[in-house]
Amino acid sequence: TQLLEQSPQFLSIQEGENLTVYCNSSSVFSSLQWYRQEPGEGPVLLVTVVTGGEVKKLKRLTFQFGDARKDSSLHITAAQTGDTGLYLCAGALRRALTFGSGTRLQVQP
Amino acid sequence: SAVISQKPSRDICQRGTSLTIQCQVDSQVTMMFWYRQQPGQSLTLIATANQGSEATYESGFVIDKFPISRPNLTFSTLTVSNLSPEDSSIYLCSVSSEYLRTFQPEQYFGPGTRLTVT
Repeated sequence: TQLLEQSPQFLSIQEGENLTVYCNSSSVFSSLQWYRQEPGEGPVLLVTVVTGGEVKKLKRLTFQFGDARKDSSLHITAAQTGDTGLYLCAGALRRALTFGSGTRLQVQP
Repeated sequence: SAVISQKPSRDICQRGTSLTIQCQVDSQVTMMFWYRQQPGQSLTLIATANQGSEATYESGFVIDKFPISRPNLTFSTLTVSNLSPEDSSIYLCSVSSEYLRTFQPEQYFGPGTRLTVT
């Protein structure tokens, strides 16, 4: 059983569309991170959220941490083909990271 | 951030043999981590390696199958022993960034080693 569930698992959209990826858990995390992984590479950190209710923006990406620090969302506005990849959330429990199940995003031109 | 390299980038190995993966970091780090990523899946932590002490293994992973060395603060190796086709995966090392006041385990990953067992 995955501690962190992401939805959807797969998403194929057209360039210019908006999308939201969700990361849910029954556990409380001290912080939560989002990573993007492209084929043949390791995951790259996008953002860390620490405070319940926190919202962070990274250009067209908006990240939100749930008030109870159990869930998070990633919203992408006007998706581009360069956004294609595997998106992973990861929650910090004590001194280890637990990765979510992943969302594979394909943005079509 | 940290720059991490792994060797080899990929390998094809026969059943019953072993593969040792090297991980080199460009700065001294306390904690290094080894993950497995099966095709199309998320990351599963194998073990945490601290310099000068035995690695700590996660449930389902044992030292006999995945021996780890951590001889200094910039280098680690993971060996996958007695290979079977089920070991075909991407193996990733990562290092943790720790802040003084608040522990925020942001991790930086190597490019991974793609292992195929035939």
